[in-house]
Amino acid sequence: GAVVSQHPSWVICKSGTSVKIECRSLDFQATTMFWYRQFPKQSLMLMATSNEGSKATYEQGVEKDKFLINHASLTLSTLTVTSAHPEDSSFYICSASLGTHEQFFGPGTRLTVL
Amino acid sequence: AQRVTQPEKLLSVFKGAPVELKCNYSYSGSPELFWYVQYSRQRLQLLLRHISRESIKGFTADLNKGETSFHLKKPFAQEEDSAMYYCALSTSGTYKYIFGTGTRLKVLA
Repeated sequence: GAVVSQHPSWVICKSGTSVKIECRSLDFQATTMFWYRQFPKQSLMLMATSNEGSKATYEQGVEKDKFLINHASLTLSTLTVTSAHPEDSSFYICSASLGTHEQFFGPGTRLTVL
Repeated sequence: AQRVTQPEKLLSVFKGAPVELKCNYSYSGSPELFWYVQYSRQRLQLLLRHISRESIKGFTADLNKGETSFHLKKPFAQEEDSAMYYCALSTSGTYKYIFGTGTRLKVLA
């Protein structure tokens, strides 16, 4: 149980375009979803916390207009990277929580911006 | 400041040797600490949480509030233990994680 999926698993886009990444909790309703960014050989950095039906809470230094987060249902959160640039290339990981301290992680999405 | 420190980027041990991956934290509240493991090309998986005090795959970790540590230990390393290990601190109320920088464990044959 407690499986989290992400789609797509990888995406390549041109600079200036927008990319949407989906995060789904497959067999449970997630009270909260989290979005992380992971650079090569580095740790996960929290970008934002997303609660169903409310605005996401962004971490300091994360541009909310660039990384749009929508949490429309208890099983789906989306991250849209708007006007992507090469420096946005990264591995994006989501996680979901049942309202406890434990988080269940998705497999990640590798974004490459040309 | 809230912080999780994993001082070793890479730890190499021989198969059958004991392993200790260090984790220290800085947090003013009551800490909830976790160890996550990431095998090659796989997602992060929960290995241990301090509150459950259980042993998973032979690994144990004890919360030492006096030393603000949550070191991960295994008496006899196996080759399949080779992976990236992350220590994480969950903060009260928001349940946000603060991750350490991770330690890559390589178990040599």
